[in-house]
This record gives sequence, C-alpha cells and structure tokens, in this order.
Amino acid sequence: EDKVVQSPLSLVVHEGDTVTLNCSYEVTNFRSLLWYKQEKKAPTFLFMLTSSGIEKKSGRLSSILDKKELFSILNITATQTGDSAIYLCAGTQPNDMRFGAGTRLTVKP
Amino acid sequence: DAGITQSPRHKVTETGTPVTLRCHQTENHRYMYWYRQDPGHGLRLIHYSYGVKDTDKGEVSDGYSVSRSKTEDFLLTLESATSSQTSVYFCAISISPSVEQYFGPGTRLTVT
Repeated sequence: EDKVVQSPLSLVVHEGDTVTLNCSYEVTNFRSLLWYKQEKKAPTFLFMLTSSGIEKKSGRLSSILDKKELFSILNITATQTGDSAIYLCAGTQPNDMRFGAGTRLTVKP
Repeated sequence: DAGITQSPRHKVTETGTPVTLRCHQTENHRYMYWYRQDPGHGLRLIHYSYGVKDTDKGEVSDGYSVSRSKTEDFLLTLESATSSQTSVYFCAISISPSVEQYFGPGTRLTVT
C-alpha cells in the first residue's frame, strides 16, 4: 500500500531556531516529492524534488531528496513566527499524489 | 495566486441530502482534482479529471461523483450526504500529473 509518513507530527520551537522536517515515502511508480506550506487556508507550493542529492533552496528554506532511502527533509533556518504552519509532503505517481498527514510547526517569539 | 475559485465556501446540510461543490479555474489547466482534508489524514484524493469528460477515482471515492463538462469547471457531488463526509474540500489544478498542483481556497462542509 502506498504511504507517506511525516515526522514529527508537531513541533514547537522559538524564533531563530533551525528545524528539520522529515518525510518518508513508499509510493509505487514514484515520480517526484512535493512540499507544501499550509496556514489557515489552502496549501501553497514550496518545492518539487525529482533527483537525489540535489538541494533546492528558497531563502531560509531548503529541501533534499534521497531516492535510495526513500525520504526527504525540509530545513528551515532562523525560524520566524510567520513560519508557523502545517508542512505537507506528497509523493506523486503518474496519475495520483499521496500526501502525508503533515507536521504542525509552531514558532514562538 | 492561481485563478481557482470554489463555491460555496461554507455549507451546512442535513444527512441524506445531495450536495454539489463547484471548482472553477481560469488557468486552462488540463488536470483538476478534488481532495478532502481531515485531521490526522492530511489530504486524500477523491476524484480527478484529465480532460473534459475524462475522470477517474482516487483513494476515497465512495459516496462521491464528479463531472467535467468544460475545461474550467469541475463539480463534486455527494449523492446522499453522511456525517462522515463532514470535511474541508479542496480543489486543485495542474498542467500535468506528477508536478505541483495549485489549490483553491477550500469549502468547509458540515453534514448534520
């Protein structure tokens, strides 16, 4: 059965901390790994990863994929209160996308 | 933001009634999707469409049907609503499968 597992389920940090969010996947006919950020509304796209070992970076956020070990991590450095959100990862297949349950990140001032 | 709207944004209905949710896009994307989001489950795919009149089932399709008569509109129908269908429903679009999807604002449905 296809599944995507995220850890931890929730995380509380203080501003300035660095966090690492984990996503492991077992997805048949895997194509790509996507990361989304969800605040009190619709998920917004962060990264798409298709190749192992190539880091994608956007400001304080970065992500990398390991296709041999079937996982991805999302790093956030120098966290801010605006980073508080649910972070979702999803493994894509030719005609489907399997989401994990998400990691709820809370950044305290 | 991608041009995706959903209607209604909130709805309360009674068990056993039919309900139709609408997703409208102005991006001319071929692929459209309906998801439900529940605590502890993340987003789960209900149905998707890969073109006008072309649809297929997702992971949790029981009790739902869809229709796509125009590129821009994708309708989700709950044939006879049940309390287990109380959820937040998101529509999404993409230019092709396996790439990023862009989500609508969501519809919060409560079945009493």
